[in-house]
This record gives sequence, structure tokens and C-alpha cells, in this order.
Amino acid sequence: SQKIEQNSEALNIQEGKTATLTCNYTNYSPAYLQWYRQDPGRGPVFLLLIRENEKEKRKERLKVTFDTTLKQSLFHITASQPADSATYLCALDLNDYKLSFGAGTTVTVRA
Amino acid sequence: DVKVTQSSRYLVKRTGEKVFLECVQDMDHENMFWYRQDPGLGLRLIYFSYDVKMKEKGDIPEGYSVSREKKERFSLILESASTNQTSMYLCASSSHTDTQYFGPGTRLTVL
Repeated sequence: SQKIEQNSEALNIQEGKTATLTCNYTNYSPAYLQWYRQDPGRGPVFLLLIRENEKEKRKERLKVTFDTTLKQSLFHITASQPADSATYLCALDLNDYKLSFGAGTTVTVRA
Repeated sequence: DVKVTQSSRYLVKRTGEKVFLECVQDMDHENMFWYRQDPGLGLRLIYFSYDVKMKEKGDIPEGYSVSREKKERFSLILESASTNQTSMYLCASSSHTDTQYFGPGTRLTVL
């Protein structure tokens, strides 16, 4: 079955720096990959979707890359702010509109 | 904006009780999902429904059942609650765009 690994459970960075999160997967070739943000005690909120034929996608200060050869997606938060502190989840599409989620990486941005 | 609501934010039940968790979405989505989220394990799919009265088992259906009598409502039922079902339960919905919209979650404690 497919396996998804996110680089680490926690990432602490200084305000203004770039946070880079990694999502690696095995035993699968997804047609697309999504990133979600989850605040404590809340449900995840969709951020970005990138398809297998897209190398890079941007939304404001967020950038996602997708390398199907390496089976890896990178998620960047540039010019990070304390308000970006949250847990970020990557998700691979399975068939029939189902998603398989990683365990998440918790980002803490220090002022 | 898509809105997904869940019947309770916090719930405390006793072992052996029958528990109902309800989820309602207001965007006429075909697909609805129930997940549980535990620390370090990420989101795990319990059940999935792609139409009224249709359901499909996810990765961890044991001990759970679901009901979808109306398109907007998807209920999760714990037939006989056990302590290992203490968790955060998240409901989500999606149309054919694959992005999932989550409710706020129900934190269930089984004593």
C-alpha cells in the first residue's frame, strides 16, 4: 500500500525566514498532491493542489513543487510570520476522490 | 463558502454506550468522509460515501458504522464505544474537484 512520510514532526524557524517541508511517498503514483493547514483543535483547511504534470505552484507566500521521479513534494512558506504557525499536512489522491494523508509537520514561527 | 458542521465539539461517553456523530454540509457535495486523527498517526479514513445510501469502508472501519439517508448528512455510529475509540473525529465533504472541506472536529473521550 502507499506510504507517505513528512520530513519531521516539528520545525522551528525565525520570523522572516523560509520554512521548507518535505513530503515523500512510496508504492504509488498519484495524479495530484494537496497541502492542508491545520490549527490546534480544528479541521484541516485546503491550501494548494499540484498535478503530476505541474512542476511548481504558487499562492501568495506559499510555493509547492512536485517531483514525480523523486516521489517528493516540497512546501515552502516564504517570509514566514508567527500567524503561519500550524500543522501542515500533505495528501495524495487515491482513486474515487479519496485522499491519503501524511501525519503532518508542525511549524512554529518565532517572532 | 462551503460549510461543514459537526454536531458536537466535545463529547464524553462511557464504555459500551452507542454514540452518534453527525455531519452536515451545505454545498450539495456528492462525497462525504469520516476520519479519525490520533497523534503521530495522521488522518485515517473510517468510511466514505459517494452518494445517498451508498457507503464504502475505509482503512479502519471496525467498530464503526455509517448512515447517509440524505445527501447533506453523514452520520458515524459507534455501536458499543470502547476506550480505544477516544480520538478526534473529522468529517469532510467534496464534489468532483477532489479538494476536501473539513468540519471543526469532534473530540470524543470514552471512559
